[in-house]
Amino acid sequence: GAVVSQHPSRVICKSGTSVKIECRSLDFQATTMFWYRQFPKQSLMLMATSNEGSKATYEQGVEKDKFLINHASLTLSTLTVTSAHPEDSSFYICSAFPSGVSVSETQYFGPGTRLLVL
Amino acid sequence: QKEVEQNSGPLSVPEGAIASLNCTYSDRGSQSFFWYRQYSGKSPELIMFIYSNGDKEDGRFTAQLNKASQYVSLLIRDSQPSDSATYLCAVIPSGTASKLTFGTGTRLQVTL
Repeated sequence: GAVVSQHPSRVICKSGTSVKIECRSLDFQATTMFWYRQFPKQSLMLMATSNEGSKATYEQGVEKDKFLINHASLTLSTLTVTSAHPEDSSFYICSAFPSGVSVSETQYFGPGTRLLVL
Repeated sequence: QKEVEQNSGPLSVPEGAIASLNCTYSDRGSQSFFWYRQYSGKSPELIMFIYSNGDKEDGRFTAQLNKASQYVSLLIRDSQPSDSATYLCAVIPSGTASKLTFGTGTRLQVTL
């Protein structure tokens, strides 16, 4: 089946630093990728939609200047948490679906990146 | 606000029993419904999707959809300890360009 990878799987950083998380579709091209955040014992919350070759669209309440998204190729989207603070500590998960196919049943999730900001 | 609601649990069932997980959603125009399983510390994995009213079966899993009642459920037959996880209900509400809205999940514990 289709595989989506994320790197790193876990990161610990100091408050004020920036962290970049990569999401790759390994065996398919993805025009659109989604970035989610999940706090402990809570559900996945969609942060933004990453579109190849264009600006990402952010959900209400998500600061676009803090969470920079770049989707420079059909297989890679990056999420950069700028000036991270302890409240940004969370589980960040991306998903992708093959270009030209309905997102319905074919949305594949990455394994997630656990961010801890000290 | 487009919401998906689930009982957080935990729902405890003995091994071999049927586990019944329920979900309600607020947007009547929703067309696509999904059940995901999430083990602790892992990302969600798709179990089933359903679009039409009625039942859809896949192995030990059956999804049931009732659009009139805005209700979707997941039945797990012959529950196994390996089924112990959090089950997330997700919906694509109308007019959201294929974006999934997740419920908070129900934690299932299958006991020996």
